[in-house]
Amino acid sequence: EDQVTQSPEALRLQEGESSSLNCSYTVSGLRGLFWYRQDPGKGPEFLFTLYSAGEEKEKERLKATLTKKESFLHITAPKPEDSATYLCAVQARNTPLVFGKGTRLSVIA
Amino acid sequence: DAGVTQSPTHLIKTRGQQVTLRCSPKSGHDTVSWYQQALGQGPQFIFQYYEEEERQRGNFPDRFSGHQFPNYSSELNVNALLLGDSALYLCASSLEPFGTAYEQYFGPGTRLTVT
Repeated sequence: EDQVTQSPEALRLQEGESSSLNCSYTVSGLRGLFWYRQDPGKGPEFLFTLYSAGEEKEKERLKATLTKKESFLHITAPKPEDSATYLCAVQARNTPLVFGKGTRLSVIA
Repeated sequence: DAGVTQSPTHLIKTRGQQVTLRCSPKSGHDTVSWYQQALGQGPQFIFQYYEEEERQRGNFPDRFSGHQFPNYSSELNVNALLLGDSALYLCASSLEPFGTAYEQYFGPGTRLTVT
């Protein structure tokens, strides 16, 4: 059974304090790993898709990386507006997305 | 470019009642998936519609049913509501059903409260 585990569950950072969120996964035949951002009471907002180990993608202060067992979302010099829940999801061939529970990030000014 | 839209935004129902939620996909997308997200949890896949047919289904009872219309919009119906059905219901659209990896774009969700 495909599984996704995200850690930590919650993370509190000072503005400008860089850190990383972890997404560990077990899936048979990974086709893609997705990162989403979700603000309270709203739908997830697509951030990145990673397809193969070694791949990296960047967007503003966010950088996502992928290995054969896990993905990291690195946040460089975060700002308060980066506060949100970050969700990781994996997809195997012809199967729906399987999500982790997310990491709640709070960035304090 | 219109994104995924859902209606209503919020809904309060009583146990045993039935509810219908609606979704319009992002322009150019033909596939709609529905997810249930309980508080503090990640979204869980309910089912997916493509070419007006249910293509895949998650581990949800038959009380959950859906429909896709020729314009690609979709409805989620839940019968005999239980307190445990209270959640945020998310609709996601994409260019095609599960096959190769592709992005799904989510709507703002419908918050359903069952009392």
